[in-house]
Amino acid sequence: DTAVSQTPKYLVTQMGNDKSIKCEQNLGHDTMYWYKQDSKKFLKIMFSYNNKELIINETVPNRFSPKSPDKAHLNLHINSLELGDSAVYFCASSPSGGRSYEQYFGPGTRLTVT
Amino acid sequence: AQSVTQLGSHVSVSEGALVLLRCNYSSSVPPYLFWYVQYPNQGLQLLLKYTSAATLVKGINGFEAEFKKSETSFHLTKPSAHMSDAAEYFCAASKAAGNKLTFGGGTRVLVKP
Repeated sequence: DTAVSQTPKYLVTQMGNDKSIKCEQNLGHDTMYWYKQDSKKFLKIMFSYNNKELIINETVPNRFSPKSPDKAHLNLHINSLELGDSAVYFCASSPSGGRSYEQYFGPGTRLTVT
Repeated sequence: AQSVTQLGSHVSVSEGALVLLRCNYSSSVPPYLFWYVQYPNQGLQLLLKYTSAATLVKGINGFEAEFKKSETSFHLTKPSAHMSDAAEYFCAASKAAGNKLTFGGGTRVLVKP
């Protein structure tokens, strides 16, 4: 009964490759997010989708392309991977209205680019 | 732009001692505030949240935080540290439901026996 799941948990790849990370939530939320946690543990928003529509794009390189096939899924595709892309990527979800403001996070995907 | 500052990247406490983690926010309008905990190699788990109701907020695992508008602070406390409290703690702010979280830099808590 996992709330927010991500696959894979670990991803090791070489520079220049293209890779995808998948995220699914079964909470019935209509807003989903991607956050990046760097090597110093700093967390920063990358993207946010509401009902399959992109609503936040925080100056992320064009090599990163999120896709939301439906409101329960938000995938992240990364082209031409660079060393600096090595990080932990967290997916999160939340309701967009009502009185519940917190976001629920997935377990993270640790991406290592060699 | 909204920002969140956590004072102290590392805090070391003895088991049974008070845990105090400091968080200040920068916003003209009091945001919604959160504390999350991250255990090694895991995702973020919500400890507690402030959403303009009571200024003293109780969370899970014996943690609580007090919102002080005059000090733009939302410090996290626990009266008695347990070994299982060793983790990274993040303060975060949001303008509204469904809006992005802005995180502080995190504070790593070490608990000494």
